Amino acid sequence: NAGVTQTPKFQVLKTGQSMTLQCAQDMNHNSMYWYRQDPGMGLRLIYYSASEGTTDKGEVPNGYNVSRLNKREFSLRLESAAPSQTSVYFCASSARSLETQYFGPGTRLLVL
Amino acid sequence: AQSVTQLGSHVSVSEGALVLLRCNYSSSVPPYLFWYVQYPNQGLQLLLKYTTGATLVKGINGFEAEFKKSETSFHLTKPSAHMSDAAEYFCAVSPPGGTSYGKLTFGQGTILTVHP
Repeated sequence: NAGVTQTPKFQVLKTGQSMTLQCAQDMNHNSMYWYRQDPGMGLRLIYYSASEGTTDKGEVPNGYNVSRLNKREFSLRLESAAPSQTSVYFCASSARSLETQYFGPGTRLLVL
Repeated sequence: AQSVTQLGSHVSVSEGALVLLRCNYSSSVPPYLFWYVQYPNQGLQLLLKYTTGATLVKGINGFEAEFKKSETSFHLTKPSAHMSDAAEYFCAVSPPGGTSYGKLTFGQGTILTVHP
């Protein structure tokens, strides 16, 4: 039982490049989330998916898109990376909204 | 809109001393409340949560927190700190209903250092 997995663990991009962060969970959870973590700011919700087939914006959605590919997978895409998107990105999942969220190990992204 | 304030970005205690990490929230209705811990280079894991019922909540690793509605607080305590408690701690809130149901708002985090 791997829990929540994220790939890649670390990525360096140049400004304007695109990339997709992958997230998968094997706990049969309905809800999945993407956060970014910046020093002194805690975690901020980018997008979430309450259930398969639905997505909704969080606190900081600008510059990102998401896809809930199936119940297991929830990807985050940066179409044109900017230095302001340098951050650590965490994916999380929960059985249902307000149930305990389980976090992946994170992806460290550096945009030059 | 809801918000969370954690007083003190860094807290330092001696091993065996009381740990007190402060969290205050702002919300139009009493929210659901959470404490998460993050060890270096890892994701977050839940320590404890309050939804309804008893206001004193016990969590893992000997931590507990008390919901005080009148003070809009949810402070985290542990009677005796252990070296392994050194980590960053996050308080989070979520509204109990409405369109933001299930969305967590996190505080900025408190780094706990434990000295021998």
